[in-house]
Amino acid sequence: AQTVTQSQPEMSVQEAETVTLSCTYDTSESDYYLFWYKQPPSRQMILVIRQEAYKQQNATENRFSVNFQKAAKSFSLKISDSQLGDAAMYFCAYISDYKLSFGAGTTVTVRA
Amino acid sequence: EAQVTQNPRYLITVTGKKLTVTCSQNMNHEYMSWYRQDPGLGLRQIYYSMNVEVTDKGDVPEGYKVSRKEKRNFPLILESPSPNQTSLYFCASSLRGRYNEQFFGPGTRLTVL
Repeated sequence: AQTVTQSQPEMSVQEAETVTLSCTYDTSESDYYLFWYKQPPSRQMILVIRQEAYKQQNATENRFSVNFQKAAKSFSLKISDSQLGDAAMYFCAYISDYKLSFGAGTTVTVRA
Repeated sequence: EAQVTQNPRYLITVTGKKLTVTCSQNMNHEYMSWYRQDPGLGLRQIYYSMNVEVTDKGDVPEGYKVSRKEKRNFPLILESPSPNQTSLYFCASSLRGRYNEQFFGPGTRLTVL
C-alpha cells in the first residue's frame, strides 16, 4: 500500500487567518492524483481539492490552495481567511490505479 | 439527488453474529469501494469492485466479504464479527477511471461487543 503521512494531528487557527496542513506520500508511480478531503462533525467526506501529478500548476479552489512539490512528494493544503465552518478533520489522500490511500488526518480548530 | 446510501447508520451487535451493511448508489457508477476509519489510522480500504461480479481486496480485507451482483449495490458482509471490527465504515463510488473522484456515503458506525 502507498503511504500517506500527515504529521500534524491537530492545528488551531484564528478566524480570518491562514493555516497550512502538511502531507507527504511515498510512491514509485509517476501518474497519480492527490486529494484533500474534509470531514466535519457530520462525518460526511467532502472533496476539497484535487491535484493531478503531471500538472505543475498548483490547484486552487476559492480559499483552498495546495503546494504540490512532486520531487519532494509533498502536498500541503493552505486554508486562507479561515471560517468557523472550516473546522473539521482534513485527510490527504493519494490514488493510483483505483486504490485510494489516506493519511491519518489533521483536526483543524477555528477560534472565533 | 445523486447519492450513496448506507444502511444501517448505526449498529451495535455481539461477537459472532453475522451482519450485512448495505451500500447503494444511484449514479450508475462502475467503481465501488468500502473503507473503515479508525482514530489515528485514517481510512483504510477493505474491498473494491470495478464492475458487476468483479471484486478485489484492499489493504484490510480479513474478516470481511463483499459481493457485486448488481451495479448499484455493494454490500459488506461480516460473517463472524469481532470487537476489532468496531469502526466507522464508509462506502464510496465513482465512474470508471483510475483517478475519478470518489463519492462517499454517510458512514455506518458499527460496535461489536
